[in-house]
Amino acid sequence: SQQGEEDPQALSIQEGENATMNCSYKTSINNLQWYRQNSGRGLVHLILIRSNEREKHSGRLRVTLDTSKKSSSLLITASRAADTASYFCATIQNNAGNMLTFGGGTRLMVKP
Amino acid sequence: DAGVIQSPRHEVTEMGQEVTLRCKPISGHNSLFWYRQTMMRGLELLIYFNNNVPIDDSGMPEDRFSAKMPNASFSTLKIQPSEPRDSAVYFCASSLVVGRNQPQHFGDGTRLSIL
Repeated sequence: SQQGEEDPQALSIQEGENATMNCSYKTSINNLQWYRQNSGRGLVHLILIRSNEREKHSGRLRVTLDTSKKSSSLLITASRAADTASYFCATIQNNAGNMLTFGGGTRLMVKP
Repeated sequence: DAGVIQSPRHEVTEMGQEVTLRCKPISGHNSLFWYRQTMMRGLELLIYFNNNVPIDDSGMPEDRFSAKMPNASFSTLKIQPSEPRDSAVYFCASSLVVGRNQPQHFGDGTRLSIL
């Protein structure tokens, strides 16, 4: 079963708008990571947030983590057509070594 | 720098045939992961290795699947005999095992079609 569930499953926005994707998980975690997957390609790591962190930034990306609600959000500001991809959250659970458990992903389309 | 290299990129074969997927991790990485991605089940971890040793193979669907890592720079995932339901994209990923706050680096996958 999947640890993380993304919401929404699909999102379509205009270039320049912000995109927000949410992720919920079920068990206690060591860290949570976000990945991007372009069509026909492998996943690319975007950002990692540790369980004792609440917010992290990387360029146009902003990630928040609320461990009390077991949820995270990924915000992409000033979106570009090149941001069109699927976005996945993944967690490392406290009792699972360095195994990542992925959610089902959000398909983001940014229209030029 | 070379990333994770997988071969072949595409494989089409008839059911019952043996399929071997190959992966070369990033040099210096000592964790290697095999995943399967389908529309129905999403991204599933099949097996992972630390320092060439299999740590967790609970995601391997059946005895028809086997994985080896004979050295730090090469791993194979074998399906024998293959079935149509094995059709999927198979990804290999590698990372450093130091600590647990390490990202995984993915190859571009092998798209497998079993007819």
